[in-house]
Amino acid sequence: EADIYQTPRYLVIGTGKKITLECSQTMGHDKMYWYQQDPGMELHLIHYSYGVNSTEKGDLSSESTVSRIRTEHFPLTLESARPSHTSQYLCASRGDRGGIEAFFGQGTRLTVV
Amino acid sequence: DQQVKQNSPSLSVQEGRISILNCDYTNSMFDYFLWYKKYPAEGPTFLISISSIKDKNEDGRFTVFLNKSAKHLSLHIVPSQPGDSAVYFCAASSGGSNYKLTFGKGTLLTVNP
Repeated sequence: EADIYQTPRYLVIGTGKKITLECSQTMGHDKMYWYQQDPGMELHLIHYSYGVNSTEKGDLSSESTVSRIRTEHFPLTLESARPSHTSQYLCASRGDRGGIEAFFGQGTRLTVV
Repeated sequence: DQQVKQNSPSLSVQEGRISILNCDYTNSMFDYFLWYKKYPAEGPTFLISISSIKDKNEDGRFTVFLNKSAKHLSLHIVPSQPGDSAVYFCAASSGGSNYKLTFGKGTLLTVNP
């Protein structure tokens, strides 16, 4: 069973506000990922990390930033939210041992009004 | 340019019958393929994977077939159950230490009682 958690599950926030989406995993995985998904569309990789103090931008350009100060924690921050940021944000992790799959959190549905 | 394509946005089948979900890819460097199931407002759940050196992998009601020459894979669900109704995403990985998943747009499967 995957132990990866995202908070909040749902967030409605006004334009211009700063937000942080939390993602934590208790599996000791080095690799963590943030995906963005809109209805009917594929999951787009926006950030990833292969370990502490390692962060990279993904295939889809995003105005968000991430940090990886601890192995288990990979928060995503938007300094100034805009309606175009409305989407579902999914965090995932994968270990170097075990199966090939990545485990996903339950996601955060962000609505910027 | 989409590297993983799911050309059927939706599929409807009767309970007890076979569901066949299709996926095509363009990148020959992919070495693992995965299927995920996703309910609305939830994170994807891993179902089954296949290595590029195999042509079939089976797990209970789920079987994935890979045709490398055609760059095509399919997921068979037999027998289909109403609880299988969800969006199914095909994903591919180039593996190694730079593990990242590339997703298709998903297929909405509806299993009618």
